[in-house]
Amino acid sequence: AQSVAQPEDQVNVAEGNPLTVKCTYSVSGNPYLFWYVQYPNRGLQFLLKYITGDNLVKGSYGFEAEFNKSQTSFHLKKPSALVSDSALYFCAVRDITGFQKLVFGTGTRLLVSP
Amino acid sequence: DTAVSQTPKYLVTQMGNDKSIKCEQNLGHDTMYWYKQDSKKFLKIMFSYNNKELIINETVPNRFSPKSPDKAHLNLHINSLELGDSAVYFCASQDRGSNEQYFGPGTRLTVT
Repeated sequence: AQSVAQPEDQVNVAEGNPLTVKCTYSVSGNPYLFWYVQYPNRGLQFLLKYITGDNLVKGSYGFEAEFNKSQTSFHLKKPSALVSDSALYFCAVRDITGFQKLVFGTGTRLLVSP
Repeated sequence: DTAVSQTPKYLVTQMGNDKSIKCEQNLGHDTMYWYKQDSKKFLKIMFSYNNKELIINETVPNRFSPKSPDKAHLNLHINSLELGDSAVYFCASQDRGSNEQYFGPGTRLTVT
């Protein structure tokens, strides 16, 4: 079965510093990978996706993610963190056995301090 | 305009009651979903409908019954509510040609 793992429950970073939120995947076949962000008391918002093509994917709010097939990773990155980036981040993979079903990781809370 | 809307936003009820949560999307998408997010923020799919037809039914108790009167609406009815049903329920929609899902704001259900 398709799955993703987010090894960190929380990531702390100072404003202005680069940030990385980690995600590794386990899939059969080619992976369809996604990052979503959830702000407090809000629904999830799509950030970016990798389907095929360039390994570096650019998304919303200055975020990007790097697909690494050899390491089966899809880490989310941003060169300079903002306090407003503080939120819960979910990595997800599309399940090939389900009709467009997304399988989410357990989420990583990002805290950006001023 | 809100793309995916849910009502109510908050729902507090007692054990044994029956309640419904409504979801509407104005994006013209074919596929709609219900997800449950538990207290640890773990997000899991419950149901999916494509053009009013049930296509995904994860291991969810029979007390949960989705209904899709048309492809813009997917409602969730819950019978005989239990304490463990307390969670945030999210509706989402997706266009068939896209891989992006659009989520509603969530309904926080508290069963006392």
